[in-house]
Amino acid sequence: KAGVTQTPRYLIKTRGQQVTLSCSPISGHRSVSWYQQTPGQGLQFLFEYFSETQRNKGNFPGRFSGRQFSNSRSEMNVSTLELGDSALYLCASSNGGTGGLGPLHFGNGTRLTVT
Amino acid sequence: GNSVTQMEGPVTLSEEAFLTINCTYTATGYPSLFWYVQYPGEGLQLLLKATKADDKGSNKGFEATYRKETTSFHLEKGSVQVSDSAVYFCALAFGNTGNQFYFGTGTSLTVIP
Repeated sequence: KAGVTQTPRYLIKTRGQQVTLSCSPISGHRSVSWYQQTPGQGLQFLFEYFSETQRNKGNFPGRFSGRQFSNSRSEMNVSTLELGDSALYLCASSNGGTGGLGPLHFGNGTRLTVT
Repeated sequence: GNSVTQMEGPVTLSEEAFLTINCTYTATGYPSLFWYVQYPGEGLQLLLKATKADDKGSNKGFEATYRKETTSFHLEKGSVQVSDSAVYFCALAFGNTGNQFYFGTGTSLTVIP
């Protein structure tokens, strides 16, 4: 079974630009979550989608948004990029059911650098 | 609020040494607790979990016991190997609200032969 695939692996953007990151979950997984990983803060939860609906949202500004498609693939968008948005963005999929916890399966991440 | 605190790294041990990585948590309810591991060049993966107080999670020789009275979930292994070199993350989540996990900052472990 193929794992979680994130594209692209690396991105370099300029302040003020916007960016879209993509995540393909493991086949059959309906939950997709996004995390921001930085050296000082560790992993911080951005949001989770389940069956095309946002089920949970973390404490990030509205510049961070996401969506999920009918095939469970997910995209994350960051608008008006700031230097502090430089981080590794991780996607995780799970086969946990409605309201349920499933083990997270992580991708290798997209490394975003904002200059 | 909900949060997880892990011991600062990096940790360096000799092969066959005893490992403890401390993890404490703050939670507004009764969470499930997890340890995730990230091996070099790989994505994070679940190592073990415990869903209620006094449960012990175990996998690959690692163990952690859910201690409600001390709000802790310390990771232990009796004899580490070079292949255990990785970054270890403690995390909590609530089973009735979907997959929103709260992670610690991670502890890097290096095992030398």
